[in-house]
Amino acid sequence: KAGVTQTPRYLIKTRGQQVTLSCSPISGHRSVSWYQQTPGQGLQFLFEYFSETQRNKGNFPGRFSGRQFSNSRSEMNVSTLELGDSALYLCASAPDRGNIQYFGAGTRLSVL
Amino acid sequence: QKEVEQNSGPLSVPEGAIASLNCTYSDRGSQSFFWYRQYSGKSPELIMFIYSNGDKEDGRFTAQLNKASQYVSLLIRDSQPSDSATYLCAVGADAGNNRKLIWGLGTSLAVNP
Repeated sequence: KAGVTQTPRYLIKTRGQQVTLSCSPISGHRSVSWYQQTPGQGLQFLFEYFSETQRNKGNFPGRFSGRQFSNSRSEMNVSTLELGDSALYLCASAPDRGNIQYFGAGTRLSVL
Repeated sequence: QKEVEQNSGPLSVPEGAIASLNCTYSDRGSQSFFWYRQYSGKSPELIMFIYSNGDKEDGRFTAQLNKASQYVSLLIRDSQPSDSATYLCAVGADAGNNRKLIWGLGTSLAVNP
């Protein structure tokens, strides 16, 4: 079974731009969660989608948004990028039963 | 606010020794507990999960859960240099919202040859 796939792996953007990250979950997983990871803050939960609906949300500003498609693939969008948005963005998928999360390799975003 | 706390380390142990990693959590309603390993520059990888009080063993790894004291620990026997990584503890939130995991900041482990 293929794992969680995130694209792109690396991104360089400038302040004020917007970015879209993509995540394809493990086949059969309908839950997709997004996290931001920085050295000082650890893993910060952004949001979780299940069957195209946002089910949980963390404490991030509205510049961070997401969506999920009918095939469970998910995208995360960050608008008006700030220097502090530089981080590793991780996507994790989970099966319907239980809450073990399986992570993708991540997208490393650098904002200049 | 629900919290998960870990000693940031670094925890340094010699090769072959037992490494003991600890995690405490604030929410008494937590039902599920996870240990992930993260190598530098990589994504977290699940090592162990435990739902019930007591010990759960998998190879060189043992997870221990004590709900009354609200802590969960990870023991790594016969530590190897390849075990050097950051270990993240995650705790499932309310039973009705168990997709949301609360994460600790991680403990850095260094196994010295």
